Amino acid sequence: DAKTTQPNSMESNEEEPVHLPCNHSTISGTDYIHWYRQLPSQGPEYVIHGLTSNVNNRMASLAIAEDRKSSTLILHRATLRDAAVYYCILRSSGGSNYKLTFGKGTLLTVNP
Amino acid sequence: NAGVTQTPKFRVLKTGQSMTLLCAQDMNHEYMYWYRQDPGMGLRLIHYSVGEGTTAKGEVPDGYNVSRLKKQNFLLGLESAAPSQTSVYFCASSGGYAGYNEQFFGPGTRLTVL
Repeated sequence: DAKTTQPNSMESNEEEPVHLPCNHSTISGTDYIHWYRQLPSQGPEYVIHGLTSNVNNRMASLAIAEDRKSSTLILHRATLRDAAVYYCILRSSGGSNYKLTFGKGTLLTVNP
Repeated sequence: NAGVTQTPKFRVLKTGQSMTLLCAQDMNHEYMYWYRQDPGMGLRLIHYSVGEGTTAKGEVPDGYNVSRLKKQNFLLGLESAAPSQTSVYFCASSGGYAGYNEQFFGPGTRLTVL
């Protein structure tokens, strides 16, 4: 699996936007970029994924660099409930790629 | 929809005891997975299933067995528990295994082996 690099931790204030970066310089053309988050004492939760174009859903936006070597997860207005570990994961579009490879992720702290 | 549910939520075992963790999903997903998460580490895949009646080994299968007799259920068994199996266990399911398929996770089972 291609590797991703994320900051260990980030802080934000409530109701402000948060930009969580992820570097994946060895990404291949068939790799999807996925983001999951894990709230305290809960299972991971899917947030968003994309291939080449920027993506928006009800939870967040995903901005993908033109060369695809980095991406940014954007939470438009952070709430206390967004405090979690955020994982950036690459998944090949085909083959027997059953597992999700979780790194250490970014611990997001949201201040009231 | 309940999504993915896991039973039990907590369990304490003594070394050598056996137990079964139950995972159930109501999304008609073909693929199901068992992961473990140790403190400060990411999730690691134990076993997975690509359909009813099938199972396959993941990264860390030793000491565990699984069964998928019904499409909606995926059981994880520990025949002789060891302290090294103290962990949080997560079950997940997905509609496919392609790069764009998301996995849905259960709330976890916290297992302590004394």
